[in-house]
Amino acid sequence: AQSVTQLDSQVPVFEEAPVELRCNYSSSVSVYLFWYVQYPNQGLQLLLKYLSGSTLVKGINGFEAEFNKSQTSFHLRKPSVHISDTAEYFCAVRSGGSNYKLTFGKGTLLTVNP
Amino acid sequence: EAGVTQSPTHLIKTRGQQVTLRCSPISGHTSVYWYQQALGLGLQFLLWYDEGEERNRGNFPPRFSGRQFPNYSSELNVNALELEDSALYLCASSAGTSGANEQFFGPGTRLTVL
Repeated sequence: AQSVTQLDSQVPVFEEAPVELRCNYSSSVSVYLFWYVQYPNQGLQLLLKYLSGSTLVKGINGFEAEFNKSQTSFHLRKPSVHISDTAEYFCAVRSGGSNYKLTFGKGTLLTVNP
Repeated sequence: EAGVTQSPTHLIKTRGQQVTLRCSPISGHTSVYWYQQALGLGLQFLLWYDEGEERNRGNFPPRFSGRQFPNYSSELNVNALELEDSALYLCASSAGTSGANEQFFGPGTRLTVL
């Protein structure tokens, strides 16, 4: 079975500050990893994904994430946040087997203050 | 290109009633996934359909069911509604069944059970 832990339920930061949203996963097989963002009253939008290859993945809106297999982590980072980045962020994992469902973490609410 | 669409946007029902939610995937996508996002419980996988067949089911009671039509659109049916069924129901679609295929999410249907 696979699981995802997002270590912070809420992260408040000031505009233009750097931010890191933490995600740890567990899985007995190889995994694909995803970060999604959900703005208020909207569905989920994919920020970035790790499938294989380079462990540093760059996504949209200036976000990036680093896959660390030894620490089973996939932390999301942005060097300078904007007010418009205020949203809920979800880390998700999917195994490389035949089960294609996504298992999500409980989400991290990022609030960017002026 | 149109994204994943869901209808209705909002729905209010009373306990014991039945509800049907609808999802239209992105053109060319054959897989449809349903997720429940309930307050405090995060995003939970409900059902996965591909090529008209149910491929996987999450840990939900049998009163949650669905189907996929020949045009790949899908319905989620919930019978005997309970208060805890109040949630945002998200539909996602992907192209094919490769584990690496990204799931694209719709805006969701907000179900309130009174």
